[in-house]
Amino acid sequence: EVQLLESGGGLVQPGGSLRLSCAASGFTFNNFDMTWVRQAPGKGLEWVSTIGTTSITYYADSVKGRFTISRDNSKNTMYLQMNSLSAEDTAVYFCAKGVYQGWFDPWGQGILVTVS
Amino acid sequence: EIVLTQSPVTLSLSPGERATLSCRASQSVSSSLGWYQQKPGQAPRLLIYDASNRATGIPARFSGSGSGTDFTLTISSLEPEDFAVYYCQHRSNWPPTFGQGTKVEIK
Repeated sequence: EVQLLESGGGLVQPGGSLRLSCAASGFTFNNFDMTWVRQAPGKGLEWVSTIGTTSITYYADSVKGRFTISRDNSKNTMYLQMNSLSAEDTAVYFCAKGVYQGWFDPWGQGILVTVS
Repeated sequence: EIVLTQSPVTLSLSPGERATLSCRASQSVSSSLGWYQQKPGQAPRLLIYDASNRATGIPARFSGSGSGTDFTLTISSLEPEDFAVYYCQHRSNWPPTFGQGTKVEIK
């Protein structure tokens, strides 16, 4: 069974940094794209970043230059380094596995990041 | 970026009724459109990918149709567990974007 477990969230002051982790199990991690999607409180879904199997990276304009996605295939883990955080970054952050060439499934349970 | 507009915002229906949800793209996404279901306090779940393909384990009462700019998610007969928020998403180019969601609520 595929499992994704996010960690590293919490409360951080504006301008601060945080690193999220997504630990994966139940599949061959290095064979799949991985993605971060966030959801502000009471709002919809916003794609944040994707890292491909070759470690090619893509970012939303809203986080480009501030966030860095990475992966460690030896640890079956994906990361999101978040710098220069602002209140607009407050959200539940979900990690998701790539499937069917470009879709996101399944998703982790999410981790809350609060910037205040 | 491509903007996806979902309608209606809220759909009030009874169990057993048919639900029809719409997603319109600001430019053609060909068939690169998917649908997700999200229940309160849970992560989203992929229902439909590439406009009309059901993801693994998704019941047959869920179906998707459309191409280009206009897409539809149909739930043929609502079950109690289907009351949730539904999002469309495209993967036609970067960045992938989501619609704002349609809430299917119990009437």
